[in-house]
Amino acid sequence: EIILTQSPATLSLSPGERATLSCRASQSVSSYVAWYQQKPGQAPRLLIYDASNRATGIPARFSGSGSGTDFTLTISSLEPEDFAVYYCQHRYNWPLTFGGGTKVDIK
Amino acid sequence: EVQLLESGGGLVQPGGSLRLSCGASGFTFSRYAMTWVRQAPGKGLEWVSSISDVGKPEYTDSVKGRFTISRDNSRNTVSLQMDNLRAEDTAIYYCTTVLPNTWFFDYWGQGTLFTVSS
Repeated sequence: EIILTQSPATLSLSPGERATLSCRASQSVSSYVAWYQQKPGQAPRLLIYDASNRATGIPARFSGSGSGTDFTLTISSLEPEDFAVYYCQHRYNWPLTFGGGTKVDIK
Repeated sequence: EVQLLESGGGLVQPGGSLRLSCGASGFTFSRYAMTWVRQAPGKGLEWVSSISDVGKPEYTDSVKGRFTISRDNSRNTVSLQMDNLRAEDTAIYYCTTVLPNTWFFDYWGQGTLFTVSS
C-alpha cells in the first residue's frame, strides 16, 4: 500500500497570501496524484488531477505540480472560500489511498 | 447536471448487515466507473471500493470478504452490500463518479451516515 504523507497538518494564513501544500508518496506514483478540497459539512471537491490538471470549473489560482514522490498544491492568493481541508490521493495502483489532509485556516 | 443520491444509512449492530444504494442521474451511467469513499467522524477520507464500467470490482483490504459492490445499469444505481459490520466501519459513505481514464473522483453525493454500535 502506498502511503501519502501531507504536510503541514495545519497551515495558518491570511486572505491574499500564498498557500503551499505538500504531499509525499512512500514510492513513486508517476504523476498520478489528485487534490481535493473539503469544507465542513460538505462532500470533497476535485481540484487537480494527474498532478497538474485543473478539474472543470476550478479557478486558476489553484495549481498543482510534482512527479514521482513529491507533489505540491499551490493556491496563489487565498480567497475567503479557500479555507478548508485539502487531501491528496494517488491512482498508481490498488489500493487507492488518500493523504491525511492539510487544514488551511485563517490566521 | 450530475446528481448522486445515497440511501441506506442508519444504525446497525456489530456483525450485522446493511446495503447502501446510490442513484445516479445527469450522465450516461453505464459508461462510468463508480466508487464508494468513506469518512469516519472527524477523520480523513478512505477509499472503500470501486467498480468499473464493465463491472470489475476492487476493494480496500479491510473490507475484502465483507463488502460487495455492484451496479445495475438499467436502474442507474450502484450498491454496497456490507456484511459482518464492525465499529470501525462507522462513517459517512460517499458515492462518487470516476473521472474517465483515471481513478479520481469528480462528482460526489452528499453522503450517507451509518453507525455500527450495540
